Amino acid sequence: DVVMTQSPLSLSVTPGQPASISCKSSQSLLHSDGKTYLYWYLQKAGQSPQLLISELSSRFSAVPDRFSGSGSGTDFTLKISRVEADDVGTYYCMQGMSLPLTFGQGTRLEIK
Amino acid sequence: EVQLVQSGGDLVQPGGSLSLSCAASGFTFTNYWMTWVRQAPGKGLEWVANIKQDGSEKYYVDSVKGRFTISRDNAQSSLYLQMNSLRAEDTAVYYCARGFRAFHPWGQGTLVTVSS
Repeated sequence: DVVMTQSPLSLSVTPGQPASISCKSSQSLLHSDGKTYLYWYLQKAGQSPQLLISELSSRFSAVPDRFSGSGSGTDFTLKISRVEADDVGTYYCMQGMSLPLTFGQGTRLEIK
Repeated sequence: EVQLVQSGGDLVQPGGSLSLSCAASGFTFTNYWMTWVRQAPGKGLEWVANIKQDGSEKYYVDSVKGRFTISRDNAQSSLYLQMNSLRAEDTAVYYCARGFRAFHPWGQGTLVTVSS
């Protein structure tokens, strides 16, 4: 199984400041079709997860452009350019390269 | 509105069975893979199973193989998860989700508690 490792596991950010979450996979997520099957989800407290980023860097519908995904191969990053109060929650990376699909442990973002 | 509405969570004894349902609306159900993901209390997300549009392919995480069965009724736009031989470690909120990898939307989640 592909192991997904996130860091940090928690971070506290002042509103308006940037935030960055790292995600590393135990195997390359670059497919022969040229796509990188790395996804980012946000789970707000008491809610179902929601899709933020698909295939490494494609923001899902209505996701603010403050969110961006980058990386290659086995190293990936989710960046929030200016954190807002509504960004609070737990962020998960997920690999879609091979079954079973696997998630990172989650990174809890709180506001200072 | 694209929506998934779940039902079926409950308290069940170890070794027991339970069936979860997920009713889809607002989109053409037959166009999509469907997926179950679970989350143990206070823990992260775990992919459980998925099923192809016509039901011809089904995949499971090893920990539930032989005990859980994913199915769908395309005429009813519904997804199911039959869970047998339940164990304490199956205790979790179970979510249904549309898609094979990019999951959207997600159901509201339903709690399955396995305890005597």
